[in-house]
Amino acid sequence: AQKITQTQPGMFVQEKEAVTLDCTYDTSDPSYGLFWYKQPSSGEMIFLIYQGSYDQQNATEGRYSLNFQKARKSANLVISASQLGDSAMYFCAMRSRGTSYGKLTFGQGTILTVHP
Amino acid sequence: DADVTQTPRNRITKTGKRIMLECSQTKGHDRMYWYRQDPGLGLRLIYYSFDVKDINKGEISDGYSVSRQAQAKFSLSLESAIPNQTALYFCATSEGGQSYGYTFGSGTRLTVV
Repeated sequence: AQKITQTQPGMFVQEKEAVTLDCTYDTSDPSYGLFWYKQPSSGEMIFLIYQGSYDQQNATEGRYSLNFQKARKSANLVISASQLGDSAMYFCAMRSRGTSYGKLTFGQGTILTVHP
Repeated sequence: DADVTQTPRNRITKTGKRIMLECSQTKGHDRMYWYRQDPGLGLRLIYYSFDVKDINKGEISDGYSVSRQAQAKFSLSLESAIPNQTALYFCATSEGGQSYGYTFGSGTRLTVV
């Protein structure tokens, strides 16, 4: 079975500062993919970043980077230079070979609030 | 048009009524999924389908049924709606493979009174 844990129900950050959103995962599969999604108040799900279990380098996409620590089974999202528009719910998710690379398993989510 | 279209966007229904949520996609993906989102619980999988003839239960399938009418269409039904099925419902599609994420629909906000 695979599991995703996000231990921060809510986070606050000052505009232009960096923030880290935590995600730990549990799987026995050696091959898996990790994803982060953003859900603004309008409700849609927006893909942010992907990290593969065999990737040697941490993934980056603009202001988003994924701090992947395989031995610790953590995949934290780092947002640099926060903007007011970053205020949203953020979900960490995983899919693995054991589920035929099918279903994504999601964490509980973290609500990020960016203060001006 | 959106890649994944869910209808309706919002729905209020009464306890005991049958309701169908519809999902259609233009991505050409074989894999389709239905999730529900509840505060503090994240997204939980209701049903998923890897092709037209393949339907699988997710972790919370009780009280729900699905129909895969075509590669592009995947409907979710609540046979007899109850208030604790009030939630935000998402349809999603994907390709197979580790690195492929989902394409989500815009969601259906369902309220059962």
